[in-house]
Amino acid sequence: EDQVTQSPEALRLQEGESSSLNCSYTVSGLRGLFWYRQDPGKGPEFLFTLYSAGEEKEKERLKATLTKKESFLHITAPKPEDSATYLCAVQARAGGTSYGKLTFGQGTILTVHP
Amino acid sequence: DTEVTQTPKHLVMGMTNKKSLKCEQHMGHRAMYWYKQKAKKPPELMFVYSYEKLSINESVPSRFSPECPNSSLLNLHLHALQPEDSALYLCASSQGSDSGRPFFGQGTRLTVV
Repeated sequence: EDQVTQSPEALRLQEGESSSLNCSYTVSGLRGLFWYRQDPGKGPEFLFTLYSAGEEKEKERLKATLTKKESFLHITAPKPEDSATYLCAVQARAGGTSYGKLTFGQGTILTVHP
Repeated sequence: DTEVTQTPKHLVMGMTNKKSLKCEQHMGHRAMYWYKQKAKKPPELMFVYSYEKLSINESVPSRFSPECPNSSLLNLHLHALQPEDSALYLCASSQGSDSGRPFFGQGTRLTVV
């Protein structure tokens, strides 16, 4: 069964204080690992897709990296508007019983104080 | 148009009511999904439709009945729900069941009284 574990559960940062969120996963053949941002009461907003170990993607203050066992979301000089829940999800390759399914981690609640 | 539109945004229903949630996308995606999300929990998959056919049903109770009338629309029919079914219901779509990244709608906040 595919599993995703995110840490920490909650993270409080001061504005400008860089940090990283972790996503550890086990999946029967990774098709893709996805990072989403979710604001309270809203749907998840797509951030990145990573497909293979060694891949990196960047967008503004965020950078996502991938190894064979985990992914990191690095946040550089965060601002209060970066406060949200960050969700990591994996999708297995076609052919398995979890075909098409996104398996989510529990999320990391990030709070950035001014 | 890169949006998944869900209606209504909020819904309050009694345990004997019948209601429907609607989801629409015009991105030409051939896979559509229903997820359920309880407070402070991650989304949990309910159903996957691929090319308008149900491909995954995650053992969801029969009081939830999905329907895919065409490639752009996905409905979730609700009947005889329980208070514990109150949650945020999310629709998503992707190019295929195993291609493209899922786009999520803003969800329907359902309260069962």
